[in-house]
Amino acid sequence: GQNIDQPTEMTATEGAIVQINCTYQTSGFNGLFWYQQHAGEAPTFLSYNVLDGLEEKGRFSSFLSRSKGYSYLLLKELQMKDSASYLCATMDSNYQLIWGAGTKLIIKP
Amino acid sequence: ETGVTQTPRHLVMGMTNKKSLKCEQHLGHNAMYWYKQSAKKPLELMFVYSLEERVENNSVPSRFSPECPNSSHLFLHLHTLQPEDSALYLCASSQGVQGGFHEQFFGPGTRLTVL
Repeated sequence: GQNIDQPTEMTATEGAIVQINCTYQTSGFNGLFWYQQHAGEAPTFLSYNVLDGLEEKGRFSSFLSRSKGYSYLLLKELQMKDSASYLCATMDSNYQLIWGAGTKLIIKP
Repeated sequence: ETGVTQTPRHLVMGMTNKKSLKCEQHLGHNAMYWYKQSAKKPLELMFVYSLEERVENNSVPSRFSPECPNSSHLFLHLHTLQPEDSALYLCASSQGVQGGFHEQFFGPGTRLTVL
């Protein structure tokens, strides 16, 4: 079957670093996406990984290990505006996105 | 207008009503999607259109009927819905469907409540 797991909720402090993990089991693999979704708003694209390793984009980085079926999103120098849900999704052999339930990140001052 | 727009933003309907959700993308994309988002659940893909042809229908009940008259517009016609259909309905578009990386751009969604 197809399954994506990520923590339901995490809490972190402004200025700190947080790592959101995602594990997956899917039929075929054509890459992994991370999206950010603020409450009441549309999901917006953050990153895409298809090869193993770390992709860095400003304060956000995303890591992929295909052999382990594992990814993480690393957020540095946390700001209050980073409070949002972070959605992990893999693209399967039919190029359809399979989504996790999302991780709600709460940033405290 | 820019990006992906959806109307209405909020909709309350009875189980016997018929209503339609509208999505429009201003990005020149060839593929459009309908998703259902329920609280604390993963996004569920409902329908995919590529170049105005339906390419995916993930076993969605017939009370949901999509329509894609052209590559910029997508509708979701609703009739005889159930209370469990209450959710956020998201529309998205992308440059293509197959071939690897195609970022999906989402609209703000329609919050649907079925009484």
